[in-house]
Amino acid sequence: EIVLTQSPGTLSLSPGERVTLSCRASQNVSSSYLAWYQQKPGQAPRLLIYGASSRATGIPDRFSGSGSGTDFTLTISRLEPEDFAVYYCQQYGGSPQTFGQGTQLEIK
Amino acid sequence: EVQLVESGGGLVQPGGSLRLSCAASGFTFSSYAMSWVRQAPGKGLEWVSGITGSSFSTYYADSVKGRFTVSRDNSNNTLDLQMNSLRAEDTAVYYCAKKPSSSWSYNWFDSWGRGTLVTVSS
Repeated sequence: EIVLTQSPGTLSLSPGERVTLSCRASQNVSSSYLAWYQQKPGQAPRLLIYGASSRATGIPDRFSGSGSGTDFTLTISRLEPEDFAVYYCQQYGGSPQTFGQGTQLEIK
Repeated sequence: EVQLVESGGGLVQPGGSLRLSCAASGFTFSSYAMSWVRQAPGKGLEWVSGITGSSFSTYYADSVKGRFTVSRDNSNNTLDLQMNSLRAEDTAVYYCAKKPSSSWSYNWFDSWGRGTLVTVSS
């Protein structure tokens, strides 16, 4: 099983700042089969990025994903108030498909 | 617009059974693989089970294998999860999630329902 480790666990930032979230895999994630999701309290997760760097439909271009192999990042270029949430990475190249433990982005 | 609406959650005693359903609309249901993903209170996401568009193949996490059964009814656009021998650690919000193709492998989850809460407690 591929274990995904996200860091940091919690980030305190202000609107307008730039942030980079990390997702590290215990094994190579083949063909960059990695996705990122955003989850707000009491809501379902929302797909942001798939294929490590492709934005899902309707996702603002301030969100970008990059990486390959075992190291992946999600960058939000300029934080908006609605971006404060928990972010999860997921790999879907190995079986079972697994999620990271999440990074909470909170308002400073 | 894709809509996924889960139902069937509730309080059940350890060792009991529960059947969850997910009603799908806004897309051609039979053309997409579907899945159940759960989230224990205050915890992260855990994939539980999946099924291809044709029901040809089903998949289970080791934690539920032999206890849970996933099925779908493409004529009624519903996805089900039969949960038996429930344990306290199965307590979670259960989400129905859609994949972007009929096959299971190498695909992410592109739409999610709002979830239904299952509580296993005496």
